[in-house]
Amino acid sequence: NAGVTQTPKFQVLKTGQSMTLQCAQDMNHEYMSWYRQDPGMGLRLIHYSVGAGITDQGEVPNGYNVSRSTTEDFPLRLLSAAPSQTSVYFCASRSGLQETQYFGPGTRLLVL
Amino acid sequence: GQSLEQPSEVTAVEGAIVQINCTYQTSGFYGLSWYQQHDGGAPTFLSYNALDGLEETGRFSSFLSRSDSYGYLLLQELQMKDSASYFCAAPSGANNLFFGTGTRLTVIP
Repeated sequence: NAGVTQTPKFQVLKTGQSMTLQCAQDMNHEYMSWYRQDPGMGLRLIHYSVGAGITDQGEVPNGYNVSRSTTEDFPLRLLSAAPSQTSVYFCASRSGLQETQYFGPGTRLLVL
Repeated sequence: GQSLEQPSEVTAVEGAIVQINCTYQTSGFYGLSWYQQHDGGAPTFLSYNALDGLEETGRFSSFLSRSDSYGYLLLQELQMKDSASYFCAAPSGANNLFFGTGTRLTVIP
């Protein structure tokens, strides 16, 4: 099993550009989430999904969209990048039967 | 709202024992998790306490007291590789986690 994979690992954007951060898991987990982590801070929940076709907002959803068309994939879209979105983004998944969240390696995003 | 408070930094000597505390204020509390994150890496799960008491996993133990809204992570026989950030986290609603701001542990020789 590859676990949770994320692409790209690094990305530089200009203000106003859009992009999609990819996330996939091969563990057949129902729950998937996107978090952002800023320097010296914990992780803050952006959006989450409890199954294909179902998504909901987390703590900091503004400026981001998500969709969940399959169990495996949960892409995060930045509609119009802003410098405040410079951060490290982590995707995570978990089974509905366990509390363990499995995190991907992260995407480091710099918005100029 | 939700808040989980942890000390920002802790330093301990190799081979010693260290305790990292977490106090929380949450609505609809389900349990407390602990995650480890090395610099540049992803968080990895350490433990989860759904009930009061101590959970032991090798050198790591985690404790929860619901009546005190308090938990801690105990690391024994510290090794240099234990230098990392440690986060407590509580389920936000029933579906995902709300994280504390983390404790940076530095293990010194």
